[in-house]
Amino acid sequence: QKEVEQNSGPLSVPEGAIASLNCTYSDRGSQSFFWYRQYSGKSPELIMSIYSNGDKEDGRFTAQLNKASQYVSLLIRDSQPSDSATYLCAVFYNTNAGKSTFGDGTTLTVKP
Amino acid sequence: GAVVSQHPSRVICKSGTSVKIECRSLDFQATTMFWYRQFPKQSLMLMATSNEGSKATYEQGVEKDKFLINHASLTLSTLTVTSAHPEDSSFYICSLKRGRNEQFFGPGTRLTVL
Repeated sequence: QKEVEQNSGPLSVPEGAIASLNCTYSDRGSQSFFWYRQYSGKSPELIMSIYSNGDKEDGRFTAQLNKASQYVSLLIRDSQPSDSATYLCAVFYNTNAGKSTFGDGTTLTVKP
Repeated sequence: GAVVSQHPSRVICKSGTSVKIECRSLDFQATTMFWYRQFPKQSLMLMATSNEGSKATYEQGVEKDKFLINHASLTLSTLTVTSAHPEDSSFYICSLKRGRNEQFFGPGTRLTVL
């Protein structure tokens, strides 16, 4: 079983809709949670970080963390074609030699 | 602005040659940097953790004698692909960790071995 799991997709939503991306993790000691966006042919860029249960909003992005259920999600409101990318979930915990574990990513396509 | 730079962005080399990729932290003293490899349409694969002033820690299955990592200063880590072969053709990306374990990635180096 992978430590960080994401649906590979592809996830397709129409422009203006809400895109919902989900991620589950296996280690209950996980402390920090991140979402990265990776455009085709480019390197990942950090878009959200969340450390405590609940919601964290930044513009059109909302990260949601539920440690009891071991999942973290990313909502993208008013999706735009420019949001089309692969979204990587990453989880950090101190016992992992200072490394974050990345999921395989979910590919999102926003159709005009 | 950019936090991490990589050089070169693209390199094409002949089989059997060695290629050095530089990763620089532009505004932060990074004691730890990471090196990843990503094949087309595949996920990120962590190759090694680069520690300033000490030996790199390699992930299982990554040949340390083939992928030489040198983290000689707090702003520079280098990855040398020795005796490169076509199967080493990939997208190599470095990152550094700062703040609350957030990672910032370099723009990547696309290696093509003929």
